[in-house]
Order: sequence, then structure tokens, then C-alpha cells
Amino acid sequence: DVKVTQSSRYLVKRTGEKVFLECVQDMDHENMFWYRQDPGLGLRLIYFSYDVKMKEKGDIPEGYSVSREKKERFSLILESASTNQTSMYLCASTEGQTYEQYFGPGTRLTVT
Amino acid sequence: GQQLNQSPQSMFIQEGEDVSMNCTSSSIFNTWLWYKQDPGEGPVLLIALYKAGELTSNGRLTAQFGTTRKDSFLNISASIPSDVGIYFCAGYTSGTYKYIFGTGTRLKVLA
Repeated sequence: DVKVTQSSRYLVKRTGEKVFLECVQDMDHENMFWYRQDPGLGLRLIYFSYDVKMKEKGDIPEGYSVSREKKERFSLILESASTNQTSMYLCASTEGQTYEQYFGPGTRLTVT
Repeated sequence: GQQLNQSPQSMFIQEGEDVSMNCTSSSIFNTWLWYKQDPGEGPVLLIALYKAGELTSNGRLTAQFGTTRKDSFLNISASIPSDVGIYFCAGYTSGTYKYIFGTGTRLKVLA
């Protein structure tokens, strides 16, 4: 079974803090993604990566950055957290041949 | 961003009933995916479809890739209380790295 894990299920941070969200997948997938999910807005793509050290902006990259130093790990960084970044953050990975996308359990981030 | 239209938005059904929902798009896709998401959890992949007209089952779940490649359908037979959750579709076109997600169907099962 594909397993995507995220470093925290719940996080509470203060405005202005730097926040790191970690994601690890164990299936040697090439592609990894970060989404945020908000009521009424659905899933929105922040960044994705199709290879180590490669990254592409998604639909809402502002205020975020990412890092992929190893194939199995994709990190999302909030450089200076703001209250409008309070959300559910979902990491996903995709096998290159089948396009099946597998999600992690999510991190519920609250910025106060 | 773009979202796919899912219908119905929500539904209450009695335990044991069959459920049908669908997802429509203005664009064609190479792949359709169906997910279930429980509150506070990440989406879980239920079924993947790769070919127009394809019908695929996973236990009590059956999904179809529409022949126009612009829609997909999910059926749940003999629903049980643990089927409660939000079901959503996703469409993918190869080479784009972009998955377009549906608005979701919230299912509530009455025992």
C-alpha cells in the first residue's frame, strides 16, 4: 500500500512565525504535491515537484515555498505565517505511469 | 481555480439503499479518480479510471468513465453507516501535472 505521511496532524502557530510542513512518501513516486483545502473553495494546488530539486508553482504559491532535496520528501514552508493561511494542508504523491494520486492524512494549521 | 461540478451536493439515504453521484466537466480527461474523505482526514483513493466507457468496481463501489470523457459516475450499492463522508472526483490530463477536483458530494446514511 502507498503511504504518504505528514509530520503533524495539528499545528498552532503565531503570525509571523516560519512554519515547516513535512511530507514523506514510501513508494518511490516521482511527483509530489502540496494543496490547501478550505470550505467552499475545495482543493487548491500550492506547489508541485516532478523530480528532486525541481518545483513548479501551482495556483496559489504566494506566501509559500517548497523544498525537495530527496525523492521521498517534500517540504512546504510558510516564510511568515499569516492568519489567512489557517487551513487544512494536504500532501500528495503520484506514480508517473498510472497518475493515481495518493494523499497524506493532512495537517490542520491554525495561525493566531 | 477550476472545480468540476458534482451532483448531488449532499444526500441523505437509508442504510441498504443504493447511491449514485456524478461529476461533469467542460474539459476532457485521460484519467478520472474517485475519493472519499472523512472529517479531519485526507482523501482516500477509491477507484481510478483510464479509458472512456470503462466500468470499474471496488467492493460495493462501481465507477464509470463517461464515453464523452467529460463525465464520470460513482455508484455505491447497499449503503452502510460507514459510507458517510464526502466523495469527490478528480480529473487529470496527462502531461499537465494538474488534477482538477470536484465540489464534492456529502453522503449521510440513516441507520
